[in-house]
Amino acid sequence: SAVISQKPSRDICQRGTSLTIQCQVDSQVTMMFWYRQQPGQSLTLIATANQGSEATYESGFVIDKFPISRPNLTFSTLTVSNMSPEDSSIYLCSVASVGTEAFFGQGTRLTVV
Amino acid sequence: GNSVTQMEGPVTLSEEAFLTINCTYTATGYPSLFWYVQYPGEGLQLLLKATKADDKGSNKGFEATYRKETTSFHLEKGSVQVSDSAVYFCALSDRPGNQFYFGTGTSLTVIP
Repeated sequence: SAVISQKPSRDICQRGTSLTIQCQVDSQVTMMFWYRQQPGQSLTLIATANQGSEATYESGFVIDKFPISRPNLTFSTLTVSNMSPEDSSIYLCSVASVGTEAFFGQGTRLTVV
Repeated sequence: GNSVTQMEGPVTLSEEAFLTINCTYTATGYPSLFWYVQYPGEGLQLLLKATKADDKGSNKGFEATYRKETTSFHLEKGSVQVSDSAVYFCALSDRPGNQFYFGTGTSLTVIP
């Protein structure tokens, strides 16, 4: 299994500002993903964080809005840029290696006011 | 493409009642199927999984059988407890290590 530490656990931010969320894993993993869980809804994949290269974004998500870094196999960041109230959501880091199930961080509950 | 359709909630049951949460999927190839649970204020935890047709995943009294012929993975428990109150997500992964596709989640409340 993998233990994931995600920070911050929650934040309240002013519109127009940016927030960077960190995801630290206790072991090297192949795949890291960032999901968004909007209130009362399921998880939607934002992007796959690729080590040493640009993230792969899903339809509807762009790098300018959600820049992602992954400098090594155990760490990634997601930034939510120029926030608006519509960005209020839970953001989840997920990791997986070939042959294993996905593990999730505790999530970051973001409220934009 | 890949998708998961999950029974709408919320579901409210009395303690010791029988639980079924329906889940059907669409996938290319032979996906692995999962149930995740999210307790209030916590992250997602794997509840059970099945990686091939006719496999039965089980954990904490919950069971689900991978039915390829009906493309289903229904979650069942014979006698629910108050502590089972949570949101349950059905999910699939079409390749090991690949992204997961989630259903909309079913909120379960068990009352004493």
